[in-house]
Amino acid sequence: GIQVEQSPPDLILQEGANSTLRCNFSDSVNNLQWFHQNPWGQLINLFYIPSGTKQNGRLSATTVATERYSLLYISSSQTTDSGVYFCAVERGGATNKLIFGTGTLLAVQP
Amino acid sequence: DTGVSQDPRHKITKRGQNVTFRCDPISEHNRLYWYRQTLGQGPEFLTYFQNEAQLEKSRLLSDRFSAERPKGSFSTLEIQRTEQGDSAMYLCASSLYNSPLHFGNGTRLTVT
Repeated sequence: GIQVEQSPPDLILQEGANSTLRCNFSDSVNNLQWFHQNPWGQLINLFYIPSGTKQNGRLSATTVATERYSLLYISSSQTTDSGVYFCAVERGGATNKLIFGTGTLLAVQP
Repeated sequence: DTGVSQDPRHKITKRGQNVTFRCDPISEHNRLYWYRQTLGQGPEFLTYFQNEAQLEKSRLLSDRFSAERPKGSFSTLEIQRTEQGDSAMYLCASSLYNSPLHFGNGTRLTVT
């Protein structure tokens, strides 16, 4: 099956710092989404981004499908950004399931 | 839009008992998914419905697991003869075609 690797696995930031999270995938995809799981376990959809670049406030994401990676940028980080960030991909072809990556655990310190 | 709703939030059961979870998706969403998440891992796909049809099932879904979505609205996930290895967070999600996936808050199952 398709492999989804995220880096770094863990990240500690001071409030106000910027960061880039990476997602690499091993096969062509027709769907890629980024999620934030907060410390209470709630999974929030951040971006639906099979290709191109999108921005939402302090967050932006870029997917380069031909090179099989996606990046999530967090600028001016806040303590509420803490949690686990997952990317998830849907492989091209007759499947409708999102396969989740290994996740990046982010801790933003005040 | 009230979001995806799951019930119960927590369930503690003894090994060998049957449990059933309910998911109410966002009303206009025709796609419904069940995932399972254990500590430190990402969500793992279990099954997918388009309207009332169950179109895909993971090999993780043993014969003890069954899911339904009558009339293409709410869905239930039943686990028969629970085992300690079934302890996990069970997540439901819904979407439209080619659109973002929205998760509920999950049902945390503990099998003692």
